[in-house]
Amino acid sequence: DIQMTQSPSSLSASVGDRVTITCRASQAITNSLAWYQQKPGKAPKLLLYAASKLEGGVPSRFSGSASGTDYTLTISSLQPEDFATYYCQQYYRTPLFGQGTKVEIK
Amino acid sequence: QVQLVESGGGVVQPGGSLRLSCGASEFSFRSYGMHWVRQAPGKGLEWVAFIHSDGSYKDYADSVKGRFTISRDNSKNTLYLQMNSLRTEDTAVYYCAKDWRRGLSGYDPWAYFDCWGQGTLVTVSS
Repeated sequence: DIQMTQSPSSLSASVGDRVTITCRASQAITNSLAWYQQKPGKAPKLLLYAASKLEGGVPSRFSGSASGTDYTLTISSLQPEDFATYYCQQYYRTPLFGQGTKVEIK
Repeated sequence: QVQLVESGGGVVQPGGSLRLSCGASEFSFRSYGMHWVRQAPGKGLEWVAFIHSDGSYKDYADSVKGRFTISRDNSKNTLYLQMNSLRTEDTAVYYCAKDWRRGLSGYDPWAYFDCWGQGTLVTVSS
């Protein structure tokens, strides 16, 4: 079975900071990776799919990249509305989510 | 605007049953596969079940196989999850989620989810 390891589990950052979150797959998943944002008490929201494709309506400060089995979500300049928990999800096989990264205000 | 609205959650004793519903609107429901995803309190997301757009193919997480049944009524634009033999570890918010793939392709659950409902809480407790 494919395993997904997301890091860090939490981070503290300030408005305007550049933030990077990483997911590592246990095997090749050929960019079949999505990123979601979840705010407390709300449903997850799709941000990116196919590792780097931005979902419609998502601000361009969000971007995704891939290197081998490592996938990265970058927020170029953190905004107040970006404080949330972020999840990666592989869909190369049976959907599996990473453990989540909580982005908190420093 | 695509809309998914879950209902049917509540408190049930271990070993009990519950049926969740998810009403869909503002998209061609019969053209898309649908999923259930759950989130235990304070925990991460777990995929639960998938049903193909025409209802002919279904798949389940090992943790619910044999206990949960996913179904749909395309005439009513509604997705269901019948949950039997509930356990305390099934306590979670249950979300219905739309598969991004349109059409008759996708006889597998290998997809991302481009729209989610607001979730319904299921609590299994004595």
